[in-house]
Amino acid sequence: DTGVSQDPRHKITKRGQNVTFRCDPISEHNRLYWYRQTLGQGPEFLTYFQNEAQLEKSRLLSDRFSAERPKGSFSTLEIQRTEQGDSAMYLCASSGQANTGELFFGEGSRLTVL
Amino acid sequence: GQQLNQSPQSMFIQEGEDVSMNCTSSSIFNTWLWYKQDPGEGPVLLIALYKAGELTSNGRLTAQFGITRKDSFLNISASIPSDVGIYFCAGFQGAQKLVFGQGTRLTINP
Repeated sequence: DTGVSQDPRHKITKRGQNVTFRCDPISEHNRLYWYRQTLGQGPEFLTYFQNEAQLEKSRLLSDRFSAERPKGSFSTLEIQRTEQGDSAMYLCASSGQANTGELFFGEGSRLTVL
Repeated sequence: GQQLNQSPQSMFIQEGEDVSMNCTSSSIFNTWLWYKQDPGEGPVLLIALYKAGELTSNGRLTAQFGITRKDSFLNISASIPSDVGIYFCAGFQGAQKLVFGQGTRLTINP
C-alpha cells in the first residue's frame, strides 16, 4: 500500500501522560500536514511541513504539542501532559510538488484521554 | 478565522434518489475540493475544482466551482448504500492549508 500511513490507529491514555503519533506520507510527497478532528466537526489544521521545515503552525497547537519531520520523510506529533480535551482523531495528510490543494489523508490516529 | 458553511448538515434519503449538497464561504478560494469520510477512517478525496464555473464529474458525482469563487455544490446521482458517510467541502487559497466545512452526513434507507 503506498498511501499515507499512521500509527497507532488508536491510543487510550491517562490524563497527564505523553503520547506520540507517527505519520509516513506518500513517498514522493514533500508536503506533510497534521489536522485534528473532533466528533461532528471537520478537520482543523494544526501544522504543515515542506520537506523538513515546519512552515506554519495553528494557534490550536499549544506548547504541549510538538511536531517534527527530521529527514523530510516521516513525521511525529507528540502531545505532552495530555488533557481530556485532547481527545480527538489526529489526521496526517501529504501532497506533492504541484501545491494544488489536493491532500491525501491517512486513516488517522484516534486518541482517548481518560 | 475562515469558515465554510455546509448544508444540509444531514440527509436521509431512499436508495436510488439523487443528492445535492452545497458549501458557501465569506472568503474566495482558488480551489474547492470534496472529500468523503467513513466512520473511523480518514477523508478520501472525491473531486477537485480549480476554475470558477468549472463543472467536474467523477462517476455518479458531479461538482461545480461557483462563479463568485465563494461556493461549490456536490451532486450524487442514483444513490447506493456505499454512498453513506460524511461529505466535506474544503477550500484552498494557496496558503498551504485546506479549510474544511462541518460536513453533511448522508444516510440511505434501502
